[in-house]
Amino acid sequence: AQSVSQHNHHVILSEAASLELGCNYSYGGTVNLFWYVQYPGQHLQLLLKYFSGDPLVKGIKGFEAEFIKSKFSFNLRKPSVQWSDTAEYFCAVNRYSGGYQKVTFGTGTKLQVIP
Amino acid sequence: DAGVTQSPTHLIKTRGQQVTLRCSPKSGHDTVSWYQQALGQGPQFIFQYYEEEERQRGNFPDRFSGHQFPNYSSELNVNALWLGDSALYLCASSPYRDRVTDTQYFGPGTRLTVL
Repeated sequence: AQSVSQHNHHVILSEAASLELGCNYSYGGTVNLFWYVQYPGQHLQLLLKYFSGDPLVKGIKGFEAEFIKSKFSFNLRKPSVQWSDTAEYFCAVNRYSGGYQKVTFGTGTKLQVIP
Repeated sequence: DAGVTQSPTHLIKTRGQQVTLRCSPKSGHDTVSWYQQALGQGPQFIFQYYEEEERQRGNFPDRFSGHQFPNYSSELNVNALWLGDSALYLCASSPYRDRVTDTQYFGPGTRLTVL
């Protein structure tokens, strides 16, 4: 069964620090990869996604992620975090079976940015 | 343009009862997926509906069932509730035509508490 691992459960950073959140998945076939963010009291929102092409993907709010197929990884990065980035971040993997989707989420990483 | 809407917002039930949760997809979306998000966990895929049929299913027992209506809205039914069903239930919608490069849009969720 496919699984998604997010190794950092809780990260605390000061403003302007750089961020890297790890995500590894276990499925060997073709996948689409996503990072979602959930700000306090808000819906899950898409940050960025990868489905083909350039393995370095840029998303909203200055976030980017790099797909490294050989490492089954899709780490999220931001060079300089802001207090408003405080949220929970979820990595997700989508694979297709019979033409329909099956999405697996990681357990999430809570990011706290200190002003 | 309304996004994904879910009702009710909160619900309290007792063990053994049955519950029905509702979801209206984003305008133009015909595929609806349901997820269970337990406290401190990432969303777990329950099932996906397209053209009024269940197309994919996660590892959930038959107590979890669903329905999709001709207007693409959907219901999630859970029978014989037990304490472990307490969670946030998320609905996500997407357009089937974009299933390869899919982006799911999530609703705010229904918080179910089983006492």
